Amino acid sequence: DAGITQSPRHKVTETGTPVTLRCHQTENHRYMYWYRQDPGHGLRLIHYSYGVKDTDKGEVSDGYSVSRSKTEDFLLTLESATSSQTSVYFCAMKGAANTEAFFGQGTRLTVV
Amino acid sequence: QQQVKQSPQSLIVQKGGISIINCAYENTAFDYFPWYQQFPGKGPALLIAIRPDVSEKKEGRFTISFNKSAKQFSLHIMDSQPGDSATYFCAAIPSQTGANNLFFGTGTRLTVIP
Repeated sequence: DAGITQSPRHKVTETGTPVTLRCHQTENHRYMYWYRQDPGHGLRLIHYSYGVKDTDKGEVSDGYSVSRSKTEDFLLTLESATSSQTSVYFCAMKGAANTEAFFGQGTRLTVV
Repeated sequence: QQQVKQSPQSLIVQKGGISIINCAYENTAFDYFPWYQQFPGKGPALLIAIRPDVSEKKEGRFTISFNKSAKQFSLHIMDSQPGDSATYFCAAIPSQTGANNLFFGTGTRLTVIP
């Protein structure tokens, strides 16, 4: 694999609880991304980071926050999980412009 | 609003046939167009990519055709094999802006019948 791991791989949580997903990379890549994948929607960008403590919103950021205190770690937090946030979440990393983005294996999150 | 439109949603092809997936975009800031392949339970992986200064790029059985004036690009899989059965995503990147975010199409589930 390309040096990017996500944890946990599967999680079931209750509505209203906070949830944090972790993405860890060993490649020292500058850019990191969180996407969610849903049938009929493809991959939609939630948040992204272009360096330590530098993050910004993507197209579906409501209800999510992120933090990047170290180059290697990018955390995604669902502040109060809702059923609409049931999805598969993918983290990705990229070293520079117009280079390959490497994806993690995904986290399947179910909110009940 | 989907910035990259992809069709068809699903595709069934006989082994040895040609699979064709089409994508279109509007944002002229896009200047890098990768295709990703995703197998069940896995993350997407880069398959092939093209820049708009060329009209075609071929890697083995996979070819991207690019029409800059029409803002369209397509993936052709020649001699399709059962092992090609996967979901394919086109994407576009505006490399001169922001954090080079990838904007994805909605995906095409390809099934190659033996």
